[in-house]
Amino acid sequence: EPEVTQTPSHQVTQMGQEVILRCVPISNHLYFYWYRQILGQKVEFLVSFYNNEISEKSEIFDDQFSVERPDGSNFTLKIRSTKLEDSAMYFCASRWVQETQYFGPGTRLLVL
Amino acid sequence: ILNVEQSPQSLHVQEGDSTNFTCSFPSSNFYALHWYRWETAKSPEALFVMTLNGDEKKKGRISATLNTKEGYSYLYIKGSQPEDSATYLCAFSTGTASKLTFGTGTRLQVTL
Repeated sequence: EPEVTQTPSHQVTQMGQEVILRCVPISNHLYFYWYRQILGQKVEFLVSFYNNEISEKSEIFDDQFSVERPDGSNFTLKIRSTKLEDSAMYFCASRWVQETQYFGPGTRLLVL
Repeated sequence: ILNVEQSPQSLHVQEGDSTNFTCSFPSSNFYALHWYRWETAKSPEALFVMTLNGDEKKKGRISATLNTKEGYSYLYIKGSQPEDSATYLCAFSTGTASKLTFGTGTRLQVTL
């Protein structure tokens, strides 16, 4: 069964460093999302992407964040200068035209 | 601000017990209610998407109901098994392709 994959599964970085989180959505899907869960808090929406552009973003998704779908298969989230408070589990999700969003297993980011 | 609440936060049942959890959400601007099952280190697994008031969905021993007028959904597990141990997340959306707003989840532990 097709699934969303994410790499790496864990990443440790120093504050101020750039990180790129990678996702391979399900191949015929059209809508792409990033969410995150800070430990002990709710899963929260970051950004949605459709037709090669951002369709919606949250207040969290400031100038330090960017997304890209460079080659029609990967979907990446870049954090330019990480802060301690960016430590979280980051989830990628994708969907086709029906409503269900399919999630990847997440990347656990730790900023020191 | 959309607030989705789930109760209880955690639940511990014996194998064979039946159990249920609640998700409450804003009844205005409702489009769809999603239930996910999330085991640690795995992808959140989509269980149900419900859109119509009075919807009932079933998948094996798990079923869900939806009341959009009063803003709640119930998830039922009949005859709980240890493999049902997971966090059950509900999420609310206000339109097609829109972001999901998640509750805090209900952590279920089923013991022999």
